[in-house]
Amino acid sequence: QVQLVQSGAEVKKPGSSVKVSCKSSGGPFSTYAISWVRQAPGQGLEWMGGIIPILHTPNYAQKFQGRLTITADQSTSTVYMELRSLKSDDTAVYYCARSAIPSAISNWFDPWGQGTLVSVSS
Amino acid sequence: QSVLSQPPSASGTPGQRVTISCSGSSSNIGSNAVNWYQQLPGKAPKVLIYANDMRPSGVPDRFSGSKSGTSASLAISGLQSDDEADYYCAAWDDSLNGHVVFGGGTKLTVL
Repeated sequence: QVQLVQSGAEVKKPGSSVKVSCKSSGGPFSTYAISWVRQAPGQGLEWMGGIIPILHTPNYAQKFQGRLTITADQSTSTVYMELRSLKSDDTAVYYCARSAIPSAISNWFDPWGQGTLVSVSS
Repeated sequence: QSVLSQPPSASGTPGQRVTISCSGSSSNIGSNAVNWYQQLPGKAPKVLIYANDMRPSGVPDRFSGSKSGTSASLAISGLQSDDEADYYCAAWDDSLNGHVVFGGGTKLTVL
């Protein structure tokens, strides 16, 4: 079955950038959207954006427009999330999650990656 | 401030039935399917209900979902101690080029 494996924890300074990877294995990659969802400590889930790899056209939540870039590398079945101009309230666990249906960024996520903790502190 | 509204907490005793509500609007729940996620402490979320009322294989039939208008509900019957978790509703929202919205989450305590 499909597995998503994310890169490891990051510690960043305010104003810097972070790039987190999400490698897919065990199933088709290019036609299934991968979304990024984050969860601040003790808080709920927040959708950031997603991409269908074969289309290379991401869809971003308005809140992150201009600060977020999601890209896909079909040759390695990996999706990347880069967040710039980091602030302390960007401290969160960042999850990648695959749409359960092909050819659409949807709210039906299955499976999820294990999560990557990004800590932003001076 | 989440787009979808859920009660922050719910509780019940073993064997009881509890329901968790999720309220939205015409641009999300009113026109798109609702999914529910269970998040156990320290774990990634897992889909519990998709397309309003469908259970993925492996999810016990104690869990059920429903939708009416701009609201949805998750019901858990025969409550068990390992149901203690955070539960989130999610929907696609047609506004602003389309995006996914989540509820704020409901922490379920089994007393």
